[in-house]
Amino acid sequence: SAVISQKPSRDICQRGTSLTIQCQVDSQVTMMFWYRQQPGQSLTLIATANQGSEATYESGFVIDKFPISRPNLTFSTLTVSNMSPEDSSIYLCSVEPDPTDTQYFGPGTRLTVL
Amino acid sequence: QKEVEQNSGPLSVPEGAIASLNCTYSDRGSQSFFWYRQYSGKSPELIMSIYSNGDKEDGRFTAQLNKASQYVSLLIRDSQPSDSATYLCAVKSGSARQLTFGSGTQLTVLP
Repeated sequence: SAVISQKPSRDICQRGTSLTIQCQVDSQVTMMFWYRQQPGQSLTLIATANQGSEATYESGFVIDKFPISRPNLTFSTLTVSNMSPEDSSIYLCSVEPDPTDTQYFGPGTRLTVL
Repeated sequence: QKEVEQNSGPLSVPEGAIASLNCTYSDRGSQSFFWYRQYSGKSPELIMSIYSNGDKEDGRFTAQLNKASQYVSLLIRDSQPSDSATYLCAVKSGSARQLTFGSGTQLTVLP
């Protein structure tokens, strides 16, 4: 498995602002993922972040709204840009340690947009 | 569109009973199957993975896979109140690394 931390754990933001969420893992991993979990819903994949390449976004998610950085094998950031109340969700990063095909999740960031 | 379907519940069982959670998936190319448990306000934690047809047991948990029927289930024996949570079925297809999640089944174990 892997030990994953996220910052911040929660935040309350104003409409129109941006928030950057950090994800740190205790070992080097190739595959990192960002998910969104809206209230009462299941997890939806936003994008896959591989070190050294551009993030791959799922349908319905765009880089301008959710820019991602992956500067090294232990760290990634997700920015939620120009926020609206519809962006209020839990944002989760996950990693897939090599050579497994199992994903482990960070504790999540609970975002409320007013 | 790859889909993973779960009964949303809620499912209530008495303490000590067997809880049965079911999941179907649409993509016949699916290769890897996972059950996660998510307590309220927490992130998902892995319970089990299964890759081959049949049963896989881990303590009180048994995962069952039937690829012909595109069906995966999780049995929890001797259910405890601490098992009360939402259980998420997740599927990985072919060479893809992404997980597709079901909507989750909320389980309540009554003391």
